[in-house]
Amino acid sequence: DSGVTQTPKHLITATGQRVTLRCSPRSGDLSVYWYQQSLDQGLQFLIQYYNGEERAKGNILERFSAQQFPDLHSELNLSSLELGDSALYFCASSVATPTDTQYFGPGTRLTVL
Amino acid sequence: GQNIDQPTEMTATEGAIVQINCTYQTSGFNGLFWYQQHAGEAPTFLSYNVLDGLEEKGRFSSFLSRSKGYSYLLLKELQMKDSASYLCAVNDYKLSFGAGTTVTVRA
Repeated sequence: DSGVTQTPKHLITATGQRVTLRCSPRSGDLSVYWYQQSLDQGLQFLIQYYNGEERAKGNILERFSAQQFPDLHSELNLSSLELGDSALYFCASSVATPTDTQYFGPGTRLTVL
Repeated sequence: GQNIDQPTEMTATEGAIVQINCTYQTSGFNGLFWYQQHAGEAPTFLSYNVLDGLEEKGRFSSFLSRSKGYSYLLLKELQMKDSASYLCAVNDYKLSFGAGTTVTVRA
């Protein structure tokens, strides 16, 4: 158990819908990272938040957005869902910077039908 | 851009040693991580190299050569539970992952 929690574990929805994935970092960690893992793309960095502020962006689509709240939990919002968005979405946390070890949550498996 | 290469698959026998190579060409470098990932589960941290040389942690060791853009993960005394995907990740103020190497341990 890494100490990072994610909900829900599984999510099944239809194309065009919007979903919210939630992540709580390890106690004491200020940075949260979101990753997408699909079979053909591997693990792709989406976005990083540090203490409530966006710090780095990867290959995140405009239909996706995230935020980190004052209690440091984070949410990833996915809208206008497409079949290709079906993937495992992982949240990770670290003490502060990306040079610190990132610890991954159990993931949310999103299936878009 | 980032280019990180690892072999796709490796097979070894229980009790043996396996070496997983990773080569990288990245625009920046602040260290290299190795993670283990069992199918459908979260990646778990194995090792972190920021300076050249060998880091040993029990049955697992990791080596880095920054001048050659090369790292390897060495798994010794293989056990069945070591069957998993091993991900090499370069830290350039964000983690860029290789596609992973699936290791299958046979009895």
